[in-house]
Order: sequence, then structure tokens, then C-alpha cells
Amino acid sequence: NAGVTQTPKFQVLKTGQSMTLQCAQDMNHNSMYWYRQDPGMGLRLIYYSASEGTTDKGEVPNGYNVSRLNKREFSLRLESAAPSQTSVYFCASRRGTGGPGELFFGEGSRLTVL
Amino acid sequence: GENVEQHPSTLSVQEGDSAVIKCTYSDSASNYFPWYKQELGKRPQLIIDIRSNVGEKKDQRIAVTLNKTAKHFSLHITETQPEDSAVYFCAAARGNEKLTFGTGTRLTIIP
Repeated sequence: NAGVTQTPKFQVLKTGQSMTLQCAQDMNHNSMYWYRQDPGMGLRLIYYSASEGTTDKGEVPNGYNVSRLNKREFSLRLESAAPSQTSVYFCASRRGTGGPGELFFGEGSRLTVL
Repeated sequence: GENVEQHPSTLSVQEGDSAVIKCTYSDSASNYFPWYKQELGKRPQLIIDIRSNVGEKKDQRIAVTLNKTAKHFSLHITETQPEDSAVYFCAAARGNEKLTFGTGTRLTIIP
């Protein structure tokens, strides 16, 4: 099992460009999440999908969109990148049923917006 | 929504000594409190968690305590080793709902 796989691992964009971060999990988890990590700010939730077919905003959704393509895949799109979106992005998944459970993270995607 | 505060932001301890990291939460309905460890350049990984029906949980050199009345919980690492150097995050949630993370503590173990 690969767990949570996200691509790309590194990306440099110019202001105004768009891109999509891809995420897939092979653990048959119901819930998937996108976090961003900035120095001194911890892990902040951008969007999440509690189950296939649903998506909800987290703490910092502005400038992002998401798509839960199917149970395995959850993508994050930046329509018009801004320097403030320079960050490390983590996708994560969780069983989502039968009580609280471990959140499994991908390896992270480091995005730089110039 | 939930708000989780974590202290200290940095912590240095001599190898072999104990380290304590503290978190407070705001939502009295939160009932799940995990701790994640993130080594440099790696993904966060769960090291221990506690549910609100217990006050303490231990796993070898690490332990977590929970005070529901005061709405705070703590991570205790005893007999620290160099491999304990990392950033530690606490988090809180209502059951299966989304986790809210603290801002992290960078722990450095001094040989």
C-alpha cells in the first residue's frame, strides 16, 4: 500500500498562474483533507471532504477550489496563484467512520509563487 | 469553531531529561486529542492520542494527560533521545469531525 500520494512534490509558479495539486489514497478512507503548513502557523485546513460527493471549507479556503473526483482522489486547485499561497501543502485521509481515527498524511508539496 | 493553543513554540532539553508540551482547546464538545510528530522534511505522523473518557495514556516513553475541566492536555516525553528532536503538533476534534491543530513545538534534544 502506498498510503497517501500527492503530486507534484515541488512547483514554482508565477503570480496569476493556475495549477492543480493531485492527491490519491489507497486505504479506502472516506474522509480527505488539504492542509497548508507555514512557519509558526501550524497546519491549517483549507478544504475537506467528509465523504465522497461532499466538500466543505476549512479555516483558509480563499483562493482555492477542490474536487473529490471519487473515493480515492481529492484535488486542490489554485486558479490564480498569489505569493501568499507560497507554502507546503499536505493532503491527508482518515477512515471517517466508526469513531475517531488516525489522519494519514502525504509527503507534502512545496509550492513557491513568485 | 475550535481553537487550539500550544506552548511552548520551541523547547530545548538535555538528552535524558523530560520534555512537556501543553495545549489548550476551546470547544468543550471536543473529545479526541491526538499528537503528531513531524521530523525535518517529513510528513506529520501520529504518535499517541487520547479520548475524553480517559485522563492519561502511556506508550513507552511518551504519555498524554487530559484535563477536561480545564480544557487542556499535555504531551510528556521521558528519557529523551536525539531521535525525539522534531516538531510536535497537538490537535482536537469532535469525534470524526475535522481536526484543528496547534501551531507546533520545535523540540531540540541537546546531546
